[in-house]
Amino acid sequence: EIVLRQSPATLSLSPGETATLSCRASQSVSTDLAWYQQKPGQAPRLLIYDASSRATGVPAKFSGRGSGTDFALIISSLEPEDSAVYYCHQRSNWPPYTFGQGTKLEIK
Amino acid sequence: QVQLQESGPGLVKPSETLSLTCTVSGGSISGYYWNWIRQFPGKRLEWIGYVYYTGTTNYNPSLKSRLTISLDISRNQFSLKLRSVTAADTAVYYCARDFWFDPWGQGTLVTVSS
Repeated sequence: EIVLRQSPATLSLSPGETATLSCRASQSVSTDLAWYQQKPGQAPRLLIYDASSRATGVPAKFSGRGSGTDFALIISSLEPEDSAVYYCHQRSNWPPYTFGQGTKLEIK
Repeated sequence: QVQLQESGPGLVKPSETLSLTCTVSGGSISGYYWNWIRQFPGKRLEWIGYVYYTGTTNYNPSLKSRLTISLDISRNQFSLKLRSVTAADTAVYYCARDFWFDPWGQGTLVTVSS
């Protein structure tokens, strides 16, 4: 089973700054990686798939990069509504599909 | 656009079977993979398994011995049955479409307790 490790666990930034969230896989997943955003009381929402493709309706401030074992989600021009928990997910080596443990992003 | 909605009991007794249904509206079940995913109280996410519109299934090996996922195309629904539950199965259960889980249902909390 592929383990995904996300860092940092919590990230506190100010409005207007840029956030870089990391996801590292225990073995190569090629570009079979996605990122999800989850706000309190809501289901996760797909942001990025295939490591760098934005899902329908996702603003350009969200971007993804990486391949193999190291990936990043970059969120520019932070706004308070970007506060959420962000998860990475791999579907390269399955079953099972696996998720990272999440990064909590706080915008203050 | 397509929407998913989970339904089923919110409380299940230990050793009994957890049964949930996901109803798909605004689109057809045909052509897609349909997943169950759960989120534990500590927020960890776990993929449970999927059913393809042809009826082919694939399960998380850690749950395979207790799990059945099935499809009812005529009702645009798919279902989850998890047998012999314990408190460790307490979670919010989500259904979601396709390989990149999109969209998700709103989720339903299932508590295992006597």
